Amino acid sequence: GDSVTQMEGPVTLSEEACLTINCTYTATGYPSLFWYVQYPGEGLQLLLKATKADDKGSNKGFEATYRKETTSFHLEKGSVQVSDSAVYFCALSPLSGGYNKLIFGAGTRLAVHP
Amino acid sequence: DAGVTQSPTHLIKTRGQQVTLRCSPKSGHDTVSWYQQALGQGPQFIFQYYEEEERQRGNFPDRFSGHQFPNYSSELNVNALLLGDSALYLCASSPGDSYYSPLHFGNGTRLTVT
Repeated sequence: GDSVTQMEGPVTLSEEACLTINCTYTATGYPSLFWYVQYPGEGLQLLLKATKADDKGSNKGFEATYRKETTSFHLEKGSVQVSDSAVYFCALSPLSGGYNKLIFGAGTRLAVHP
Repeated sequence: DAGVTQSPTHLIKTRGQQVTLRCSPKSGHDTVSWYQQALGQGPQFIFQYYEEEERQRGNFPDRFSGHQFPNYSSELNVNALLLGDSALYLCASSPGDSYYSPLHFGNGTRLTVT
């Protein structure tokens, strides 16, 4: 079945460091891919999405590119801030372009220190 | 404009008991999905309600059931609680009869089964 695998955390960085969180997926067809962020005590928020191969999603300085050849959707940011500390989830929807029945990875905790 | 609200925030139940969790969707949304997030794991899709009917279901036993009311609010019921049902239960809403609208998540209900 469809699945998402992301790098284990926690990831600990100093402010202004570069961030990469790896995410790979297994799916049939043409899934949509997402990154969600969960701040302490809060629900999930959509960070960015990509609905087809080679699409680049971006938001708040974060970027991820849908790579069908490597089945990957790695999250990157050039300069992290303390306020970026949170848990990041990679997810896919089996429905192309849709948000239906999301399948999540286990999450990666990011801690950014001043 | 209130977002997705869930109640209660926390609750503790004993193995074998039954529990009801509640969710009010974001204003203008009429589709409600429920997810279970075990500690250290990503959310898993339980089911989705639209027009007061269960439209889709994930791989969860029949002990998990739900309901949607005419005002679009929803309940998640879990019978015969097991220790393994301890988790954060997330409700997500979306607008319209569409799988292509982003999900808006609530902050969740933390269920502890002892």
